[in-house]
Formats: sequence, structure tokens, C-alpha cells
Amino acid sequence: RKEVEQDPGPFNVPEGATVAFNCTYSNSASQSFFWYRQDCRKEPKLLMSVYSSGNEDGRFTAQLNRASQYISLLIRDSKLSDSATYLCAVNMNRDDKIIFGKGTRLHILP
Amino acid sequence: SQTIHQWPATLVQPVGSPLSLECTVEGTSNPNLYWYRQAAGRGLQLLFYSVGIGQISSEVPQNLSASRPQDRQFILSSKKLLLSDSGFYLCAWSVTRNEQFFGPGTRLTVL
Repeated sequence: RKEVEQDPGPFNVPEGATVAFNCTYSNSASQSFFWYRQDCRKEPKLLMSVYSSGNEDGRFTAQLNRASQYISLLIRDSKLSDSATYLCAVNMNRDDKIIFGKGTRLHILP
Repeated sequence: SQTIHQWPATLVQPVGSPLSLECTVEGTSNPNLYWYRQAAGRGLQLLFYSVGIGQISSEVPQNLSASRPQDRQFILSSKKLLLSDSGFYLCAWSVTRNEQFFGPGTRLTVL
């Protein structure tokens, strides 16, 4: 099993729809979880940290399911500008490294 | 606030030539620093990370090396580039085990 795994997509979603991504991780001792957004030919930018209780930032909601070892990202009322690749990242609690998933591509269609 | 700089933004180099990419961080002390490579259509590959001056951990055996001569400076080098070294090189910083923040990256093409 890969350390951090994501569906590569692409997800083609009409504008205004709700879209959800999952990301699974292999190490049950992992403590820190993150979602990043990467636009084409740009650096990844932190979108949200994921807390045990779940967290929400506007149209974005992140949740952690420790029992099933996955994190999720929900985007409501999607905008054209949400089109990007979304990377999940997990600190495996071994050291100061974060393991990144390969990303899920999202295309919002007008 | 913290900022991270990388240069150059783009680079085209012939096979066998040397490489030096620089990354500097402002606004924080004793950060963890990281070098990643992202090949076309692929994920982020961690190359090196450093928890302090002169402390470098290598993740992948290759013809690249890294150095940290100052607290907020991280350098990626190669003596002889290979075609397979082409990619998008990203520097990142973090405070221990927390989220990482990336620089704008250097797009390297080896011909």
C-alpha cells in the first residue's frame, strides 16, 4: 500500500456543483494532515490543515477519519477558479518530513 | 511575515554542465528546509531536507547534492547534469512537523 494515495482524476465537474476528494494514508500513527492546491506550472500552496474535529473555511471543508485512515476535502458551490490539482499531505510522525500524494486534478466546467 | 525566494525561475542547461539553485527564507529562524523535484505529470519527490546549518539528509541516491551554509539558505547542486534531472525544483520551509510552504520553484530543462 502506498504511503499516501489519491485518485488522480481528472474530475470534471459543472460550476456550482459540490465535489469531494479522498486521500488514504498507510501509517496509523500519522498526526498531521494537509491539503494543498497546485495550479499549472506553479508551486503548491497550502489550502487547509486538517484537524481531528474537522475544519471549514468558506466553501471548503476538510475532515479526518482515523479509523479508516483517510482525509477528505469537500468543495461546495464550485467556481471556475477552483480548477487545479489538489494534493494531500501527511506527516507520518517519524520525523520532520511530509509525504505528498500525487494529486487529484479538478476541472470545473462552465 | 515569512517569504521564500528561489532563483533562477527557469534554466536551460546542457547535459554534463554543473547546477546551482539557491533558496532563501526570510522572516523565520531555524526553519526546516526541503528540496523537492516534480517531474512532468508526476508527484513531488523529496530530494533533501535540513533541520539546521550543515545538516543534510538525502532521500534519493542521485547525482545531486545539497548544502546549507547559513540558517536560511539552502543550495541544490550538481557537478554534471543528466537528462533525467529535468523537472520543476521546489524549495520549502516549515517549523517542525507543521505545514510546509513552498517557494516559486525553478523549472530546469536539461538538453
